[in-house]
Amino acid sequence: NAGVTQTPKFRILKIGQSMTLQCTQDMNHNYMYWYRQDPGMGLKLIYYSVGAGITDKGEVPNGYNVSRSTTEDFPLRLELAAPSQTSVYFCASRPRGLIAGNEQFFGPGTRLTVL
Amino acid sequence: ELKVEQNPLFLSMQEGKNYTIYCNYSTTSDRLYWYRQDPGKSLESLFVLLSNGAVKQEGRLMASLDTKARLSTLHITAAVHDLSATYFCAVGAYSGAGSYQLTFGKGTKLSVIP
Repeated sequence: NAGVTQTPKFRILKIGQSMTLQCTQDMNHNYMYWYRQDPGMGLKLIYYSVGAGITDKGEVPNGYNVSRSTTEDFPLRLELAAPSQTSVYFCASRPRGLIAGNEQFFGPGTRLTVL
Repeated sequence: ELKVEQNPLFLSMQEGKNYTIYCNYSTTSDRLYWYRQDPGKSLESLFVLLSNGAVKQEGRLMASLDTKARLSTLHITAAVHDLSATYFCAVGAYSGAGSYQLTFGKGTKLSVIP
């Protein structure tokens, strides 16, 4: 199993540009999450999904959109990039139910800079 | 709103010494998670604590959970350089929408010096 994979690893955007951060997991997990991590801070939840076709907002959803058409993929879309979106983005997944205590498994992250 | 506070945020300790990182949280939860993050890397799961009084140990690290005090501790015994990293605690709870989510502390950056 590759686990949770994210692409790209690094990206520099200009203000106003758009991009999609890709996240794929091969563990057949129902739940998937997008977090952002700002320097010296913990992770903040952007969006999450409980299964294909079902998504919901987290703590900091403004400026982002998501979709979940398959169990494996959970892309995060930035429509009009702003400097405030400069951050490291982590995707995570976990299985349904009480398996492993709802532990989440994280991808390697995407480091995004908006100039 | 669930708040999670870790202290200290920065910790510099000598090899061979013991120390404890504290994680306090503001609302009821019966699950707490500890993660390790090396610079430029992702988060690696260390411990999942599932009930009051839970204690787990792995090598020089031991984590415990007191749900009544809303407190978890991560104890480091005889620190070695390889333990240098940032340690996060995260508290699990159900949101208003009924989904189970994690709220993270700001992390404790640990540096172990010879």
